[in-house]
Amino acid sequence: DSGVTQTPKHLITATGQRVTLRCSPRSGDLSVYWYQQSLDQGLQFLIQYYNGEERAKGNILERFSAQQFPDLHSELNLSSLELGDSALYFCASSPRDRGSYGYTFGSGTRLTVV
Amino acid sequence: DQQVKQNSPSLSVQEGRISILNCDYTNSMFDYFLWYKKYPAEGPTFLISISSIKDKNEDGRFTVFLNKSAKHLSLHIVPSQPGDSAVYFCAASSNPSYSGAGSYQLTFGKGTKLSVIP
Repeated sequence: DSGVTQTPKHLITATGQRVTLRCSPRSGDLSVYWYQQSLDQGLQFLIQYYNGEERAKGNILERFSAQQFPDLHSELNLSSLELGDSALYFCASSPRDRGSYGYTFGSGTRLTVV
Repeated sequence: DQQVKQNSPSLSVQEGRISILNCDYTNSMFDYFLWYKKYPAEGPTFLISISSIKDKNEDGRFTVFLNKSAKHLSLHIVPSQPGDSAVYFCAASSNPSYSGAGSYQLTFGKGTKLSVIP
């Protein structure tokens, strides 16, 4: 157990729908990072939150949004889902606002859009 | 534009031999490098790292080498064991004084799938 908890582990939904992925960071970590891993793709950075505020944004689609709550858990919202959104979504956490010395990853949420 | 490249999608090695996984980077602001290992149905886990002030870091069977002039790093696993079979990701982070795009998060390569054959 890495200490980073992601729910649900698996999600199957239809095109056009909206889903919410949840992440609880490791105790004491203030930063949460969201990554997408599609087939044959590496880990694509989506967005980072630090202590409740957006800190960095990557290749995140406008249909996707995220937030970090006062208890530091984070949610990634994916809407108007398309087949191409099927992927593994990972959350990671780190103690500070930079992930310079590494993150701790959760076990991921596998999203399948049918 | 991929700033961290792992050009070999897969690698097969006999048990007991050396595994060498390679990684190239383009951003000269990167100054800390990490390797993560990922098993199926699990998240990536940290394996070993190296700072740009070093050219080698060793941890048991795992050694990472950094060639700054060539912007190249490699992970050596000796001896390789079947349990090492996994996907290995190379990642890089930038100097803390850099505040440009991509400065807060790690940048990952696409990964190399290592298969160690018994």
